[in-house]
Amino acid sequence: NAGVMQNPRHLVRRRGQEARLRCSPMKGHSHVYWYRQLPEEGLKFMVYLQKENIIDESGMPKERFSAEFPKEGPSILRIQQVVRGDSAAYFCASSPRQGNEQFFGPGTRLTVL
Amino acid sequence: EDKVVQSPLSLVVHEGDTVTLNCSYEVTNFRSLLWYKQEKKAPTFLFMLTSSGIEKKSGRLSSILDKKELFSILNITATQTGDSAIYLCAVEAGDTGNQFYFGTGTSLTVIP
Repeated sequence: NAGVMQNPRHLVRRRGQEARLRCSPMKGHSHVYWYRQLPEEGLKFMVYLQKENIIDESGMPKERFSAEFPKEGPSILRIQQVVRGDSAAYFCASSPRQGNEQFFGPGTRLTVL
Repeated sequence: EDKVVQSPLSLVVHEGDTVTLNCSYEVTNFRSLLWYKQEKKAPTFLFMLTSSGIEKKSGRLSSILDKKELFSILNITATQTGDSAIYLCAVEAGDTGNQFYFGTGTSLTVIP
């Protein structure tokens, strides 16, 4: 049973470009969580999704950020018109149901030039 | 293969007990080890450890790192029901840093 997979592991974008981060949860997991880790800080919750539904997006910036978890395929975190402050490690975690332990992926390191 | 292993997977104690949570790791180019407390949704940062043998304390919580034996422990004394949570260990590693490896966590339940 493969763990949570994220790709790409490293992503470099110039200011104004779009960044797409992918997360494939563990098999049998239908709950996905996205977190951001800024330098020198801990993990910050961004959004919680179930298949085809956004359950809680209270941690996600209102502009430029969006997330989806379609019926088929990975969950996508999309950042439009990236700025330098978006540079961070973005982690995805999955769980089989709400309230269960979350299994974390290796993260995507986004660098905005 | 880089990995982080936490033990025990779950633990149930009574209020007032002292608990020790373990985190062992095998990574290339270790940079730091982090402990988080996870309740509900967002993990809360507890400690970052980079040097061996130096204990970090915050109230009833303390943690120490052993880079020779490749493990860390998180101690909680005089546990309270509010300590019930999942405790995550993560290791930052890699040539350029910023590769994080998470353990699956220890689920702690403190009963009155």
